[in-house]
Amino acid sequence: DAGVTQSPTHLIKTRGQQVTLRCSPKSGHDTVSWYQQALGQGPQFIFQYYEEEERQRGNFPDRFSGHQFPNYSSELNVNALLLGDSALYLCASSRGQRGNTIYFGEGSWLTVV
Amino acid sequence: DAKTTQPTSMDCAEGRAANLPCNHSTISGNEYVYWYRQIHSQGPQYIIHGLKNNETNEMASLIITEDRKSSTLILPHATLRDTAVYYCIGSNNNDMRFGAGTRLTVKP
Repeated sequence: DAGVTQSPTHLIKTRGQQVTLRCSPKSGHDTVSWYQQALGQGPQFIFQYYEEEERQRGNFPDRFSGHQFPNYSSELNVNALLLGDSALYLCASSRGQRGNTIYFGEGSWLTVV
Repeated sequence: DAKTTQPTSMDCAEGRAANLPCNHSTISGNEYVYWYRQIHSQGPQYIIHGLKNNETNEMASLIITEDRKSSTLILPHATLRDTAVYYCIGSNNNDMRFGAGTRLTVKP
């Protein structure tokens, strides 16, 4: 049983570009959340998707957007990249929106130069 | 989501129990207490979670006080591979609001 899988594992982008990160949830999970983790800090919640809709959002600008597909997989898009967007981007999945175990992927390392 | 407070760092001798405290005095009645750990910026690893009752699994035990204002994560026999940052989180809607966590160092 594969856990949460993310791609790509590492990528480098130039300031001003756009990036798309992908996530496949653990089998049987229908809720996907995205987190940003800067070096030396704890993960920060970006947003959560359930039934193909954004259900909750953290304190991130509109440059950060997402999508959930009918098979529950998800994408995170970041437009107009800034140097400060360099971070580890983590995807997490769960079954339903409350009280169940939440599993994280290994993340996608984004470097903006 | 409840704000949690944890010590910045702790040491533990290998083979001994590691007891990691967490204060969550503002936790609401429907918020679960979750514990995760993270090793070398890998993805956070789920350890355990609970609402009111104490919980135990193959990794750890979670002791929640009766007033639910604090909890303790217990690793019964710490190994060197348990060295990590441990996060305590209060949540009722699956968005995990991570704090700085406790950096646990298990020493030989």
